[in-house]
Amino acid sequence: GAVVSQHPSRVICKSGTSVKIECRSLDFQATTMFWYRQFPKKSLMLMATSNEGSKATYEQGVEKDKFLINHASLTLSTLTVTSAHPEDSSFYICSAIAGPGANVLTFGAGSRLTVL
Amino acid sequence: LAKTTQPISMDSYEGQEVNITCSHNNIATNDYITWYQQFPSQGPRFIIQGYKTKVTNEVASLFIPADRKSSTLSLPRVSLSDTAVYYCLVGEQAGTALIFGKGTTLSVSS
Repeated sequence: GAVVSQHPSRVICKSGTSVKIECRSLDFQATTMFWYRQFPKKSLMLMATSNEGSKATYEQGVEKDKFLINHASLTLSTLTVTSAHPEDSSFYICSAIAGPGANVLTFGAGSRLTVL
Repeated sequence: LAKTTQPISMDSYEGQEVNITCSHNNIATNDYITWYQQFPSQGPRFIIQGYKTKVTNEVASLFIPADRKSSTLSLPRVSLSDTAVYYCLVGEQAGTALIFGKGTTLSVSS
């Protein structure tokens, strides 16, 4: 089946630094990927839609200069949290649609970001 | 996008059948109903998807009445490992079902 790999699974950084999270589709090409954020005991919140070769579409209230998304190839999308602060600490999850005709989202395992 | 409403939590015992109902009163004609399961600190995992009537796979069944304003996820003979959060999403095929509701936290005890 379709597999989405996320890296790193956990990252701890100091306040003010930037952190990059990678999302790869391992066995399919993903023209569109989605990035979610999840706080403890809360539901997933859609942050942005990442389209290969074009700018990401951000949901209302999500700072595009804070959360930089790049989708440079059909198998890789990256989320960079710039100048991270403790309030950016969260669980970040990416997902993708596994190709034409697929009708469900395949999710990565998530990345736990802790900003000190 | 159709909004969904689910019970916040449910409790069950091992071996019992669990039915989780989701309300989606403003579901559109082209919308499908998809259920995901999420364990703590993991990404959601697809369980089942349907459009109408009944769908069954190796892990669950999905019952959708004729008016499609609700759906019921049925988990037969649950085990401790079924303790998770279950999300019902409604949207068109190919990924437009992107908005997660609050989900139902299922706790299975021995």
